[in-house]
Amino acid sequence: DAGVIQSPRHEVTEMGQEVTLRCKPISGHDYLFWYRQTMMRGLELLIYFNNNVPIDDSGMPEDRFSAKMPNASFSTLKIQPSEPRDSAVYFCASTKGTSGALTDTQYFGPGTRLTVL
Amino acid sequence: AQSVAQPEDQVNVAEGNPLTVKCTYSVSGNPYLFWYVQYPNRGLQFLLKYITGDNLVKGSYGFEAEFNKSQTSFHLKKPSALVSDSALYFCAVRDRSDYKLSFGAGTTVTVRA
Repeated sequence: DAGVIQSPRHEVTEMGQEVTLRCKPISGHDYLFWYRQTMMRGLELLIYFNNNVPIDDSGMPEDRFSAKMPNASFSTLKIQPSEPRDSAVYFCASTKGTSGALTDTQYFGPGTRLTVL
Repeated sequence: AQSVAQPEDQVNVAEGNPLTVKCTYSVSGNPYLFWYVQYPNRGLQFLLKYITGDNLVKGSYGFEAEFNKSQTSFHLKKPSALVSDSALYFCAVRDRSDYKLSFGAGTTVTVRA
């Protein structure tokens, strides 16, 4: 199993530019999560999807952030326009979620380190 | 609302000594509890989880954790630490209503040779 795949691993951009982060969940997993990690705020859940449908986006910081999941094997997190305070490591995670008992483990990707200058 | 507290920012131990990383939680109802480890410039790796049953849970790399309902704790332990255990450790809790995980702030473990 390849695990959760994220690209790019590193992204450096200038303030005001659009940034798109990509994620491929583990095959067969029904849930996909986007997290942001910073020194100040730790790990924050931004949004999660079930069967490609957004379930909870209450963690998305503002309208500059958007996420999509057009199919079961691909999701994007977009920031437009980007700001220096968006600099962080963004993680994608997935879980199988078919047990119905919410006991399944979330598996994380390697993350994308975003630097906005 | 669910939450996790990791009271120690850092834990320092000598190689070969026991390692304990503390975690307390708050959740309505019975919790699901998880431990993850993060090595520098890497994603979070799953170590172990408590779902139900035996309060002592065994996981990867010789780690174990003990669920204590009365103290609302889920401390991570390893009998004999290795230098390679030096990393950032996260405790997480989920209640039984959805898949959202709440993470603690993390504890940096340093094992000196």
